[in-house]
Amino acid sequence: DVKVTQSSRYLVKRTGEKVFLECVQDMDHENMFWYRQDPGLGLRLIYFSYDVKMKEKGDIPEGYSVSREKKERFSLILESASTNQTSMYLCASSRTPGNVGSYNSPLHFGNGTRLTVT
Amino acid sequence: GENVEQHPSTLSVQEGDSAVIKCTYSDSASNYFPWYKQELGKRPQLIIDIRSNVGEKKDQRIAVTLNKTAKHFSLHITETQPEDSAVYFCAASLGGNYQLIWGAGTKLIIKP
Repeated sequence: DVKVTQSSRYLVKRTGEKVFLECVQDMDHENMFWYRQDPGLGLRLIYFSYDVKMKEKGDIPEGYSVSREKKERFSLILESASTNQTSMYLCASSRTPGNVGSYNSPLHFGNGTRLTVT
Repeated sequence: GENVEQHPSTLSVQEGDSAVIKCTYSDSASNYFPWYKQELGKRPQLIIDIRSNVGEKKDQRIAVTLNKTAKHFSLHITETQPEDSAVYFCAASLGGNYQLIWGAGTKLIIKP
């Protein structure tokens, strides 16, 4: 069974702090994603990566950066946390290289990190 | 930009009745349409998906239908049970690439 592990379940940070959210997957998946989930807005893609050291902007990349130095690890970085970044952050991975639309390649999500910025 | 509209935002049905959730997408190049279920406090999990070359797909009590002409797809749950209570998200692929465009979610409540 695929396991996607996010380092923290709950995190409280102060405005202006640099925040690191870590995600590790154990199934050798090529694709990894960071989403934020807010009530009434569904899942919004922040960044994704389809290979080591590769990254692509999603719908809402402003205020975030990512790092993928190893295939199994995808980190989300908030350079200077702000209160409007208070949210649930979900990491996900998928197997098929190049196309998340493959029938046999669902997204596997982590349990999420609820970040509060005060 | 491209978007996916999902309705209703909340759906309350009697246990044993059917539930239908509808989504409309804007990108005519979308070719993949998954549905995810997120139980309270848990991660979203794929429950069913459909590709654009198929009009309907069933898996036990769950079915998904796709109307490419109208650009909408629906999730049908029959004989609802308490464990069906969750938030359901539809999504559509952005063209043929990695990204999914997500609906806002439907909170399904099963009344005993």
